[in-house]
Amino acid sequence: TQLLEQSPQFLSIQEGENLTVYCNSSSVFSSLQWYRQEPGEGPVLLVTVVTGGEVKKLKRLTFQFGDARKDSSLHITAAQPGDTGLYLCAGGKGGTSYGKLTFGQGTILTVHP
Amino acid sequence: EAQVTQNPRYLITVTGKKLTVTCSQNMNHEYMSWYRQDPGLGLRQIYYSMNVEVTDKGDVPEGYKVSRKEKRNFPLILESPSPNQTSLYFCASSFVGAAKNIQYFGAGTRLSVL
Repeated sequence: TQLLEQSPQFLSIQEGENLTVYCNSSSVFSSLQWYRQEPGEGPVLLVTVVTGGEVKKLKRLTFQFGDARKDSSLHITAAQPGDTGLYLCAGGKGGTSYGKLTFGQGTILTVHP
Repeated sequence: EAQVTQNPRYLITVTGKKLTVTCSQNMNHEYMSWYRQDPGLGLRQIYYSMNVEVTDKGDVPEGYKVSRKEKRNFPLILESPSPNQTSLYFCASSFVGAAKNIQYFGAGTRLSVL
């Protein structure tokens, strides 16, 4: 059972376009993380959001945590070829479930020059 | 340099031959975890450890064992590997704390079981 549904699974765009990746769940998470993974490497953390409604910006990337802490989005403005990679969202829970991180299926982004 | 080190990076083995994938971190992290990554399924957690001698099952623990005798090491053991365990495996570590569950990943171990 996939608790975090990530969409779209594949995204192929031209340089300069904007895009949004979504991460949805019926479960509430205490934190939501976004990672980026390049071929042959492990995922690297981009951002962590912990408060419902929180918005974080990282240069051209904007991350939002839903008010109910069940969903999140990643928006990239003016995409560049260097943004190409696999983007993963991951939800964490606190309390007795602390430590169990649930990942979405991932979004493979290709930005063409 | 802060890092999570996995060995080996690549491994080809045969069904039933016991193997161990090692994982070591130099950041004094309490928390360590193993994931497997398969196409279309993202990363699925196998086992995790909140501290020395404390381990717990993730979402797909069947066929795997772990141990945490030292803080820095968290080996993954496959007692009798089967072809459905062919996958890309990642080890990760982090500090424990609600806003600090930032996981640092190793470079991965690609395992093929024939």
